[in-house]
Amino acid sequence: DTEVTQTPKHLVMGMTNKKSLKCEQHMGHRAMYWYKQKAKKPPELMFVYSYEKLSINESVPSRFSPECPNSSLLNLHLHALQPEDSALYLCASSQDLLGRRGTGELFFGEGSRLTVL
Amino acid sequence: KNEVEQSPQNLTAQEGEFITINCSYSVGISALHWLQQHPGGGIVSLFMLSSGKKKHGRLIATINIQEKHSSLHITASHPRDSAVYICASRGVIQGAQKLVFGQGTRLTINP
Repeated sequence: DTEVTQTPKHLVMGMTNKKSLKCEQHMGHRAMYWYKQKAKKPPELMFVYSYEKLSINESVPSRFSPECPNSSLLNLHLHALQPEDSALYLCASSQDLLGRRGTGELFFGEGSRLTVL
Repeated sequence: KNEVEQSPQNLTAQEGEFITINCSYSVGISALHWLQQHPGGGIVSLFMLSSGKKKHGRLIATINIQEKHSSLHITASHPRDSAVYICASRGVIQGAQKLVFGQGTRLTINP
């Protein structure tokens, strides 16, 4: 199994809603990432988790709250979002943090397309 | 600060043509990734290179560490190769956790 599975594929929410994006991998990877991608732009790193601990937070607004309940699962909790937060949210995983010996490929999910009304 | 530049930004070709996409970066890196993204879709990792050349099917990726340059080649291109191709560099030690992405090359292969 070399897949990163993201749900839901599409999400429409109002600015007062609370919702969550979910990411799952069963490759035994210990590093997981959230990226945000606007149309026709490259992905932007949001968060990095290593061994279920937050390793990097790229100064992301607190209305985005990541959670890593176990080594296979990564959530992104959304609350009080703005229309400009509408984007494709991509999850990725790697064997270990990039740069450590033995790490290699990044595996990406299909993304969750979020629309904030 | 590392900057990654890709060229061309857009490329349209006929089926069967040989395609080259270029990627330049400004500082030393530990690895370079080539990624493929279909419209509205997720990202597929094609190659990760730290030196030399790799081949997978009709795709070939090369990297020249001294010149800080990488190329992605597609032989016998096909309409299903139409996608955005992104190169991303991985820094050294502290910078290794964050990829620096190029702006992408939008490739269209016409039948």
